Amino acid sequence: EIVLTQSPATLSLSPGERATLSCRASQSVSSYLAWYQQKPGQAPRLLIYDASNRATGIPARFSGSGSGTDFTLTISSLEPEDFAVYYCQQRSNWPGVTFGQGTRLEIK
Amino acid sequence: QLQLQESGPGLVKPSETLSLTCTVSGGSISSSSYYWGWIRQPPGKGLEWIGSIYYSGSTYYNPSLKSRVTISVDTSKNQFSLKLSSVTAADTAVYYCARLWSLWGQGTLVTVSS
Repeated sequence: EIVLTQSPATLSLSPGERATLSCRASQSVSSYLAWYQQKPGQAPRLLIYDASNRATGIPARFSGSGSGTDFTLTISSLEPEDFAVYYCQQRSNWPGVTFGQGTRLEIK
Repeated sequence: QLQLQESGPGLVKPSETLSLTCTVSGGSISSSSYYWGWIRQPPGKGLEWIGSIYYSGSTYYNPSLKSRVTISVDTSKNQFSLKLSSVTAADTAVYYCARLWSLWGQGTLVTVSS
């Protein structure tokens, strides 16, 4: 099973700052990596697929990069609504997938 | 606008079978080449993929749950379903159905308790 490790576990930032979230895979997943945002009481929302493609309706301040085993989600300038939990997900062995344990982005 | 809605008992006894249905509205479950799936999230924890089904009926399960999981599709009712047998307290979670991976239901909490 491919294990995804996200860091940091918690990130404390202020609105307007830049956020950088990391996801590392235990073996190469090529570019088959996605990022999700989850707010309390809500279902996850797809932000980025195939490492760097924004999903429909996702603001341009969200960007993804990386390939192989190391990936990054960047939020260029935090808005108040961006504070949430973020998960990465790999589907390199589709239709099987695994998720990372999540990064909590909290207001400083 | 396509929407998904989970339904089923919110409380299941240990050793019994958890059964949930996902009803798709605003479009046909078999009209496009999509995978449909189930994902769960224990309270305060992360996401776990349970399994997926293609509109044609082909199924794929998480190896850690495979012996207990059955996912099926009923195109006449525009629904797909999850059955998880021999449940324990560790199966307590919010269960989501999804049109993989961009459209999710709101989720339903299932508690396993006597």
